[in-house]
Amino acid sequence: GAVVSQHPSRVICKSGTSVKIECRSLDFQATTMFWYRQFPKQSLMLMATSNEGSKATYEQGVEKDKFLINHASLTLSTLTVTSAHPEDSSFYICSASGGAGGLEQYFGPGTRLTVT
Amino acid sequence: GENVEQHPSTLSVQEGDSAVIKCTYSDSASNYFPWYKQELGKRPQLIIDIRSNVGEKKDQRIAVTLNKTAKHFSLHITETQPEDSAVYFCAVSQGGSEKLVFGKGTKLTVNP
Repeated sequence: GAVVSQHPSRVICKSGTSVKIECRSLDFQATTMFWYRQFPKQSLMLMATSNEGSKATYEQGVEKDKFLINHASLTLSTLTVTSAHPEDSSFYICSASGGAGGLEQYFGPGTRLTVT
Repeated sequence: GENVEQHPSTLSVQEGDSAVIKCTYSDSASNYFPWYKQELGKRPQLIIDIRSNVGEKKDQRIAVTLNKTAKHFSLHITETQPEDSAVYFCAVSQGGSEKLVFGKGTKLTVNP
């Protein structure tokens, strides 16, 4: 149980274009999903928290207009990196928790974004 | 906000030895403390967790201890194997929320 998928696993895009990343909980309903960013050999940095049907809560320093998050259902959240630039190149990972006092977060396999 | 310190940053042990990784945190309201294992290019995997009403938890070769008074918790791996080699992250729930703050990670190498 507690399987989270993420697509695509790898994407290369040109500077100025937008990229959408999908995160799905496959065998449970995720009341909360989280989006992280991880640079090489560094830790996970929380970007935003999203709850189904409501606006995402962004961490300090994360531009909400650049990183658009939509959590349309209990099994799907999307992150769109708008007008991507080379400095946005990173490993983006989502996680999902089932709520109801369950604090465990289960991670997707991550998306390697390279902006050229 | 929550501040999580993790030590050591790298740890090298011989197969069969034990490995201990320690984390300290600052927010006394934190109540959930998971440990994740991440292999290169892969997702973090939850290996064990502990809540604030418990002092110790064990799962086969892995154990976690929590000292709420001192605000520190540790991961113990016994009888290490080469496949235990990975980066291990501790995390702490931020206050009473579901948000996690991660430590900087420990790269564990188990030499055969």
